[in-house]
Amino acid sequence: AQSVTQPDIHITVSEGASLELRCNYSYGATPYLFWYVQSPGQGLQLLLKYFSGDTLVQGIKGFEAEFKRSQSSFNLRKPSVHWSDAAEYFCAVAPGNAGNMLTFGGGTRLMVKP
Amino acid sequence: GAGVSQSPSNKVTEKGKDVELRCDPISGHTALYWYRQRLGQGLEFLIYFQGNSAPDKSGLPSDRFSAERTGESVSTLTIQRTQQEDSAVYLCASSLLGGPRNEQFFGPGTRLTVL
Repeated sequence: AQSVTQPDIHITVSEGASLELRCNYSYGATPYLFWYVQSPGQGLQLLLKYFSGDTLVQGIKGFEAEFKRSQSSFNLRKPSVHWSDAAEYFCAVAPGNAGNMLTFGGGTRLMVKP
Repeated sequence: GAGVSQSPSNKVTEKGKDVELRCDPISGHTALYWYRQRLGQGLEFLIYFQGNSAPDKSGLPSDRFSAERTGESVSTLTIQRTQQEDSAVYLCASSLLGGPRNEQFFGPGTRLTVL
């Protein structure tokens, strides 16, 4: 069965600093990979996704993520964090071309210091 | 241009009671998903509907949980004889088509508290 691990439960960064949120997955083949953001009082919003091709994907709000097959990782990055980025971030995986559901990691809560 | 809506937004119930949670997907979306999010955890898949196909119920945790969807419209998730461990936020999502390549749009969730 596939699984997703987000090793960092909480992360605090200063506004303007760079950010990297880690995500590792366990799956036999190359899955589809996603990052979602959940802001307080709001539903989950898709930031970006990877299906195939270029391993560096760009998303909304200035986020990007890089798929590294050798490390089974799909880390989320942003060069300069804004206070409005404070939220919970979820990495998710779906089996490529099979199955319907997403398997989510436990989430990383990001706090931004002024 | 409404998104996915869910009702109620909050539900407090007593252990042993039945509850019904409602999801209104985005109009025209053929696929509908239910997830559960326990406090401080990620989302767990519960059930998936796609058009008129038989639903994928593989994520339902027990036979106390059931869900229905009429055509490509509203879905209800029913939990019978609620237990305290059922306390969670229940999230619904819809997508234009089924399958993981199609973006899932999430509703705001129903927070269920079982006393």
